[in-house]
Amino acid sequence: AQTVTQSQPEMSVQEAETVTLSCTYDTSESDYYLFWYKQPPSRQMILVIRQEAYKQQNATENRFSVNFQKAAKSFSLKISDSQLGDAAMYFCAYRSTFSGSARQLTFGSGTQLTVLP
Amino acid sequence: DVKVTQSSRYLVKRTGEKVFLECVQDMDHENMFWYRQDPGLGLRLIYFSYDVKMKEKGDIPEGYSVSREKKERFSLILESASTNQTSMYLCASSLWGRGERKETQYFGPGTRLLVL
Repeated sequence: AQTVTQSQPEMSVQEAETVTLSCTYDTSESDYYLFWYKQPPSRQMILVIRQEAYKQQNATENRFSVNFQKAAKSFSLKISDSQLGDAAMYFCAYRSTFSGSARQLTFGSGTQLTVLP
Repeated sequence: DVKVTQSSRYLVKRTGEKVFLECVQDMDHENMFWYRQDPGLGLRLIYFSYDVKMKEKGDIPEGYSVSREKKERFSLILESASTNQTSMYLCASSLWGRGERKETQYFGPGTRLLVL
């Protein structure tokens, strides 16, 4: 079974600075998806960024980018020019490309990000 | 934009009551999911459905059942609510297939359930 580990329960960053959230995962599969979701105080889970394992290029979405290291099974999220609205719980998630019960997302335990003004 | 709605944001029930949580999505997604979220545990999958009337157990199905009579609607049922089912419940949906946006799960706003 796949596992996802987020070793930083809490992090803080100064507004306008850059912060990196860590995520590692364990899998024996070669093709899969990785995601970062954001959950602000409103509790709505919002997709931040997605990476397909067969793509070598790191995904980027505006101020959000990932450092995907497939061999190391590492998938970190970098937030540049941090804004107060970035404050949220961030979850890393893994999804197999196979069908059946592997359709589910496996989530890490989350990292609570505080943005300091 | 994908829209996933849940019937209630907050719900208070008594032990032993039957509880229905409803989820509706408007994007013709094949897959629908129910998760529960507890502090320090992340999200854990209860059940999911990949088609009408089809369902599969997730990691923690005990004490729950589901129903999917229509493609857009996926219900989570607590047959006899217990205090250890107090939690945040999140519904999600996704398209089946490869490619951009497919297989990405989109979430509803969540239902916070308190069982007394």
